Amino acid sequence: TQLLEQSPQFLSIQEGENLTVYCNSSSVFSSLQWYRQEPGEGPVLLVTVVTGGEVKKLKRLTFQFGDARKDSSLHITAAQPGDTGLYLCAGEMGRGDMRFGAGTRLTVKP
Amino acid sequence: DAGVIQSPRHEVTEMGQEVTLRCKPISGHDYLFWYRQTMMRGLELLIYFNNNVPIDDSGMPEDRFSAKMPNASFSTLKIQPSEPRDSAVYFCASNTQGASEKLFFGSGTQLSVL
Repeated sequence: TQLLEQSPQFLSIQEGENLTVYCNSSSVFSSLQWYRQEPGEGPVLLVTVVTGGEVKKLKRLTFQFGDARKDSSLHITAAQPGDTGLYLCAGEMGRGDMRFGAGTRLTVKP
Repeated sequence: DAGVIQSPRHEVTEMGQEVTLRCKPISGHDYLFWYRQTMMRGLELLIYFNNNVPIDDSGMPEDRFSAKMPNASFSTLKIQPSEPRDSAVYFCASNTQGASEKLFFGSGTQLSVL
């Protein structure tokens, strides 16, 4: 059982559609990060959220940290083919202990 | 900066052989992390170092796995003997203040044990 459950596992949508992916846990995290990973490469950090209820925006991406700091969501508006990739959430359990979810594999079709 | 450099990019070996994966972190980063990624288990932390000292190796699956960091610019992850279930992508990452800060990942080593 994953400490961080990400859903959906796979998502395939058309260009221009909106989508939301989720990262859930029963554990509380001091911070939570979202990464995007492309084939053959390592994950690249998109955002870090620290405060319960925090919302951060990165162009068409909106990240929210749950009030209890146990869950997070990523919303993409008007998805583009360049958004295709594996989206990973990672929660900090303690200093140096970053746990990753299995990821949501997003495909945006032109 | 060239980023985190891992070698080799791909490794194919036979069961029972020794495998050594290498990592050069970003200069000035004092934390180094080794992760393993599989479809079934996602990205798992194996071990991490701070100032070349192993801090937490609780993620190392078993005694067949060992990691060293002889200096600030080099680390190895060794599997001896290797088994087919070790097949995965192994990532090295580094940063300056531990995992709550941005992790810079290498491109990974794709390991296949036949």
